[in-house]
Amino acid sequence: ETGVTQSPTHLIKTRGQQVTLRCSSQSGHNTVSWYQQALGQGPQFIFQYYREEENGRGNFPPRFSGLQFPNYSSELNVNALELDDSALYLCASSPLAGGSHEQYFGPGTRLTVT
Amino acid sequence: AQRVTQPEKLLSVFKGAPVELKCNYSYSGSPELFWYVQYSRQRLQLLLRHISRESIKGFTADLNKGETSFHLKKPFAQEEDSAMYYCAPGGGKVTFGTGTKLQVIP
Repeated sequence: ETGVTQSPTHLIKTRGQQVTLRCSSQSGHNTVSWYQQALGQGPQFIFQYYREEENGRGNFPPRFSGLQFPNYSSELNVNALELDDSALYLCASSPLAGGSHEQYFGPGTRLTVT
Repeated sequence: AQRVTQPEKLLSVFKGAPVELKCNYSYSGSPELFWYVQYSRQRLQLLLRHISRESIKGFTADLNKGETSFHLKKPFAQEEDSAMYYCAPGGGKVTFGTGTKLQVIP
């Protein structure tokens, strides 16, 4: 069984640029959630994808967008980067959307915006 | 919406002492709650799911509907228990709290 993987590990971008982060879900999981974890904070929910459709969104502006592919892997896109977007971005997969299932987290992508 | 609160940002205990990490929830209905742990330089990982009532690494957590709590307990703390602990509802569409940092003093 393959765990959740994310790429890249680290990324440095300039304010105003755009970034795409990638996530491969755990085998057999059809739901992916994205989180932003700022230093010293817990993960903040960005959005969730279930069977290629957005299935819930947290309090993040539209410049945060995502995709889920038929193989259930997912992308997080952030446009017009701001300094405050610097954080660890976590992806988590689970076997069923909306149900009471645990999540399996990837190692995260550390994004630095300068 | 399900919400959880972890009132302690930092909990320091001596090795061998009992540990209790507090988690309170507000939810109308039957909550589904989990404890996650993040060791230094490791990914966030599931520690306990309340529905299974299992014990992992000596930790247990009981759902107390009367007190709306889901506290994490261990009778004897070990140094390797030092980590960040997060209580969270199920469903995957939640923002975690700030968590509790457990520091076990040798």
